Amino acid sequence: EVQLVESGGGLVKPGGSLRLSCAASGFTFSTYSMNWVRQAPGKGLEWVSAISSSSGYIWYADSVKGRFTISRDNAKNSLYLQMNSLRAEDTAVYYCARVYCSGGDCYSTFDLWGQGTLLTVSS
Amino acid sequence: EIVMTQSPATLSVSPGERATLSCRASQSVSVNLAWHQQKPGQAPRLLIYGASTRATGIPARFSGSGSGTEFTLTISSLQSEDFAVYYCQQYNNWPPITFGQGTRLEIK
Repeated sequence: EVQLVESGGGLVKPGGSLRLSCAASGFTFSTYSMNWVRQAPGKGLEWVSAISSSSGYIWYADSVKGRFTISRDNAKNSLYLQMNSLRAEDTAVYYCARVYCSGGDCYSTFDLWGQGTLLTVSS
Repeated sequence: EIVMTQSPATLSVSPGERATLSCRASQSVSVNLAWHQQKPGQAPRLLIYGASTRATGIPARFSGSGSGTEFTLTISSLQSEDFAVYYCQQYNNWPPITFGQGTRLEIK
């Protein structure tokens, strides 16, 4: 089955750190760019970070730049998000999402999403 | 940063009727615009990319149109499973990739 499964969410105090993981299965993970997108409770979608298939290109939203680090391990079919200096406003469900590719072309939108993992930053 | 603005915030439509959702970009995104559907407690689902191309498995009652700064998602005959929140998303000029704030489609 083609799927993404996130893990690692939880309750963290402000200033703390956490690492999210996303396990991919059912497709050739190493050929796809991957992203993290988050959704604060009751709010809309916010793009967080992207990484190219071979990790050669990485991008971040300004809101997380310098605090979050995206990475991947293609041998383990896994995507990661290391989150440091966490703030209350980082509280959200974090989704990993696959870039959509069709007919040899890829588009920076997302056709496969995980179920999400909830991060709560609170004292 | 390109700001995406969706209207209306909430749309009330009866089953079987047509729904029209709008999305405006603060600057041209060409046709690099996608629509996603999200139901409560679920991850989003890609409906449309390239402004008007349905993603794999998406029913023909969903159609997208527009280019530049003005886009529309039309659902021709609403089914019960279509009541959800819809987000537009631009990927023409990034980072950052940006989403609209969403339109909630509810049963009238």
